[in-house]
Amino acid sequence: EAGVVQSPRYKIIEKKQPVAFWCNPISGHNTLYWYRQNLGQGPELLIRYENEEAVDDSQLPKDRFSAERLKGVDSTLKIQPAELGDSAVYLCASSSGQTGNEKLFFGSGTQLSVL
Amino acid sequence: GDSVTQMEGPVTLSEEAFLTINCTYTATGYPSLFWYVQYPGEGLQLLLKATKADDKGSNKGFEATYRKETTSFHLEKGSVQVSDSAVYFCALRVLTGGGNKLTFGTGTQLKVEL
Repeated sequence: EAGVVQSPRYKIIEKKQPVAFWCNPISGHNTLYWYRQNLGQGPELLIRYENEEAVDDSQLPKDRFSAERLKGVDSTLKIQPAELGDSAVYLCASSSGQTGNEKLFFGSGTQLSVL
Repeated sequence: GDSVTQMEGPVTLSEEAFLTINCTYTATGYPSLFWYVQYPGEGLQLLLKATKADDKGSNKGFEATYRKETTSFHLEKGSVQVSDSAVYFCALRVLTGGGNKLTFGTGTQLKVEL
C-alpha cells in the first residue's frame, strides 16, 4: 500500500514568488492535514480537512497561504507571495475516521527554501 | 495552551547503551501521549502511544510510561542500535472537538555509534 505522497521533494524560490505543494493521501483516508516544520522545531498544524471541508484552519496565515482539497482526495497548499520566513518543511498527513483517535500517516515533506 | 518540552539533542550513544529521552507536557485536559520517529529522508512515523495515566506504550524495544503525577512521558530503550539513529518527537493530543490535532515537541536527535 502506498503511503502519503508529496511533491516536490525540494523547492527553491526567490522571495515574493508563488509556490505550491501537492499531497496525495492514503487511499480511503478522509482526514488530511498540512503541517509546517521549521528548522529545529516540531511540526505545527496549518490546516485540517475532513473530506472537502477545512474544519480547522485557525493556524493558517490567510493573507498569503491558501489550501484546497477538491473532491476530498488530493490537496494543494499555496503560498503567494513567499517570504524568507516561509522557509521550512511542509508536511502532509492523513488519517481515517473522524473520532480523533486515528493514527496519522505522514509524507516525507516538501523542503522549501526562500532566497 | 498545550505544550511539550523535550530534552535537547543531539544525544550521542555507543551501540548497546541505555537510552532515555525526557519529555514533559502541559495540557488543559487529559491528553493522549505519543512518540514519533523521523529517520533520515523519511516522514514521521508513530513509534508508540499511551492514552491514559499509567499506561505503558512499547514498540521495537522502546518504552514510555504515561506519568500523570509528573506530567512526563520519557522514552527509554535498554540497548540501542545504529539503526535507531533518528530524530524523536514527543507529542500530545487533547480531544476537545478539534479532532486529531497533535502538539509536538521540538525533537531530539539521536546518534548511535559503533
